[in-house]
Amino acid sequence: AQTVTQSQPEMSVQEAETVTLSCTYDTSESNYYLFWYKQPPSRQMILVIRQEAYKQQNATENRFSVNFQKAAKSFSLKISDSQLGDTAMYFCAFKARLNKLTFGKGITLSVRP
Amino acid sequence: GAVVSQHPSWVICKSGTSVKIECRSLDFQATTMFWYRQFPKQSLMLMATSNEGSKATYEQGVEKDKFLINHASLTLSTLTVTSAHPEDSSFYICSASGTMNTEAFFGQGTRLTVV
Repeated sequence: AQTVTQSQPEMSVQEAETVTLSCTYDTSESNYYLFWYKQPPSRQMILVIRQEAYKQQNATENRFSVNFQKAAKSFSLKISDSQLGDTAMYFCAFKARLNKLTFGKGITLSVRP
Repeated sequence: GAVVSQHPSWVICKSGTSVKIECRSLDFQATTMFWYRQFPKQSLMLMATSNEGSKATYEQGVEKDKFLINHASLTLSTLTVTSAHPEDSSFYICSASGTMNTEAFFGQGTRLTVV
């Protein structure tokens, strides 16, 4: 069975600064996908970034980038130039053959003005 | 990205009654739909997976007779909470994916309050 671990329950960052959210996972699968989802106060789940395990290059989406270390089973999210609208819960998630997502516990990120 | 519409956004019902939540994929064929439950400040807990035209697969500990899931078409899945009790009050979220999708698309969620 897959597990996803987010050990930090909450973090705070100053507006315009950079913050990194940690995530580790455990699996015996060789082919899988990793995701970071954002859940703002509206509670709508929003996909932030996606990484295919077979790709060595780290995914990047504007201010969001990941550090994917496959051997270490680590998948951290870096948010650059933090904005007030980045305040939300962030979930790391894993998907393999069964097509269902396994979520971490989430981290509450607060961006201070 | 693809759009998933969940309805209603919030509902209040009396104990003992049943309530139905709909999840629709608006612009793609959802071969698989997922239903989650989420408590405040916690992660999403998968309740069941449904594939179009077949019975849903429930996660361990989820009562299938209480949480009825129907996925009769490629664009609609429903979750019916039967004989609701206050402990069923929660936030319920659906997600959907098609055969060509690597990601799942989420509905807006439904806040259920049982009084």
